[in-house]
Amino acid sequence: DAKTTQPTSMDCAEGRAANLPCNHSTISGNEYVYWYRQIHSQGPQYIIHGLKNNETNEMASLIITEDRKSSTLILPHATLRDTAVYYCIANSGYSTLTFGKGTMLLVSP
Amino acid sequence: DADVTQTPRNRITKTGKRIMLECSQTKGHDRMYWYRQDPGLGLRLIYYSFDVKDINKGEISDGYSVSRQAQAKFSLSLESAIPNQTALYFCATSDDRGFGYTFGSGTRLTVV
Repeated sequence: DAKTTQPTSMDCAEGRAANLPCNHSTISGNEYVYWYRQIHSQGPQYIIHGLKNNETNEMASLIITEDRKSSTLILPHATLRDTAVYYCIANSGYSTLTFGKGTMLLVSP
Repeated sequence: DADVTQTPRNRITKTGKRIMLECSQTKGHDRMYWYRQDPGLGLRLIYYSFDVKDINKGEISDGYSVSRQAQAKFSLSLESAIPNQTALYFCATSDDRGFGYTFGSGTRLTVV
């Protein structure tokens, strides 16, 4: 799986958009970009994934650059309950998921 | 009922004891996984199974064993528990393409 690089931590004001970046410059053509989050000591929760196109679901939007070397997860209106560690993972689906240290997002009032 | 159920939720055991952590899923998926998480660290893969007859070691399998009793059940055993196995353990399942892992709520294990 391609290595991903994320900032260690980010802050966001409640109600504002949270934009979490991820670099995956060595991603291969068959690898998807996955985002998961883990709220304190709970099991990780799947958020969204994409291959080439931008994706949106009820939780978030995923913007992938045209060269696929980086992506951004967008939480459009962050709430306090979005405070969590966010993991960006590049994976083809044929192998298991490898979790890095992720980005600790702190949403403040 | 939760899609992935782990039992027990919390367990304190003594060094040298054998302990089993159990996991069951109702997603109907073939793939199941056991991960371990230590404070401040990401999740590390212990064992995984892509179907009932398939068992594979992960990154940190030493000191652990698993049993895949059925499609829905995947248990993790610590043959002789040691204090550095104190951690949060997560079971997960996914479809055959590896999309959208679903995790359980975790088992907090303390070895004293």
